[in-house]
Amino acid sequence: DIQLTQSPSFLSASVGDRVTITCRASQGIASNLAWYQQKPGKPPNLLIYAASTLQSGVPSRFSGSGSGTEFTLTISSLQPEDFATYYCQQLNSYPPYTFGQGTKLEIK
Amino acid sequence: EVQLVESGGGLVQPGGSLRLSCAASGFTFSNYGMHWVRQAPGKGLEYVSAVSSNGDSTYYGDSVKGRFTISRDNSKNTLFLQMGSLRAEDMGVYYCARDRLIAAATGLGYWGQGTLVTVSS
Repeated sequence: DIQLTQSPSFLSASVGDRVTITCRASQGIASNLAWYQQKPGKPPNLLIYAASTLQSGVPSRFSGSGSGTEFTLTISSLQPEDFATYYCQQLNSYPPYTFGQGTKLEIK
Repeated sequence: EVQLVESGGGLVQPGGSLRLSCAASGFTFSNYGMHWVRQAPGKGLEYVSAVSSNGDSTYYGDSVKGRFTISRDNSKNTLFLQMGSLRAEDMGVYYCARDRLIAAATGLGYWGQGTLVTVSS
């Protein structure tokens, strides 16, 4: 199975900051990557699919980039509602579509 | 409005079995691949299983292969997960989720609220 490694695992930042989360795949997955946001007690919410396409209704301060084995999620100016845990997921070829271990974004 | 509602969770002893259900509404269920994802308490997301839109193809994560069986009843718009030989490490919230698009796995666009499975003697 394809493994995904996110970095960092924890990130402390302030409102208005620009933050970047990285996701590395154990083998090439083209652009078959999605990003999710999860808040405590809630299911995950799809933010970005196909590595860089914003899901409908997601604010434009979120962006994704990358292909092959290295991907990034960037939040251009953190808002209070963005403090959450973020996961990448690979959807290359057939399941299982593994997740990264998560990045918890906390308020500094 | 797309809705996914899981049920069937609860307390089960180690080695026991449990059957989860996910009732779908608001879309043509038979057109979409469906997935189960779980989350242990305080931990990250773990991909469990998937089934194709017609039920012919099934997939499993390594940790559940041979113990869990995914299935669907398109006439009743319901997804199932039959779980057997349950272990403490199977404990957590189980979510069902739908592919964002028909016939294309680009992301899990809709999720249920989850059902809690507790494995304990």
